[in-house]
Amino acid sequence: AQSVTQLDSHVSVSEGTPVLLRCNYSSSYSPSLFWYVQHPNKGLQLLLKYTSAATLVKGINGFEAEFKKSETSFHLTKPSAHMSDAAEYFCVVSGLSGGGADGLTFGKGTHLIIQP
Amino acid sequence: DAGITQSPRHKVTETGTPVTLRCHQTENHRYMYWYRQDPGHGLRLIHYSYGVKDTDKGEVSDGYSVSRSKTEDFLLTLESATSSQTSVYFCAISGGQYNEQFFGPGTRLTVL
Repeated sequence: AQSVTQLDSHVSVSEGTPVLLRCNYSSSYSPSLFWYVQHPNKGLQLLLKYTSAATLVKGINGFEAEFKKSETSFHLTKPSAHMSDAAEYFCVVSGLSGGGADGLTFGKGTHLIIQP
Repeated sequence: DAGITQSPRHKVTETGTPVTLRCHQTENHRYMYWYRQDPGHGLRLIHYSYGVKDTDKGEVSDGYSVSRSKTEDFLLTLESATSSQTSVYFCAISGGQYNEQFFGPGTRLTVL
């Protein structure tokens, strides 16, 4: 079984300051991990994925995440927030490290607010 | 963007009526999924398909059925809609090596 815990339901930062969205996971397998972003009234977009090739993963729009097995964490960061980053962010785990029919397990989401 | 469409995009229906949502893909991917999104719950898996006529249940499958008669189409049916099924429904496809999934635009369903 696998699970994901997003430690903050809301995060508020000022434009131009760093962003940190926290995620802890639990998985019986060697997991694949993802971050998705959802802008208001939009679908979900894949930001980045961890697949065991490298622990520091770079994604789109300047986001990156670091996989820490000892801490079972996969936190999302960005050095400088932009107003367009305001959205809902989901940390997601897939139980199988290879391709398969496994559905994804989603965290409950972190709402990122950017203050001008 | 992955070639995934959902129809209808919005629907209002009454309790007890049947409802069918359609997901159509142009990517020829084997795996397709239906999720529902509710405030405070993220997305939860309803059903998934691993090929034509091959489907299985997800975490929240009660009250839902699915069918897949062609690779490109995955249908979600609410046999008798209830107010608790008011939600936003997302279809997804997967063809990547690590099960990364790509989502359709969603269907907002309201059951009165």
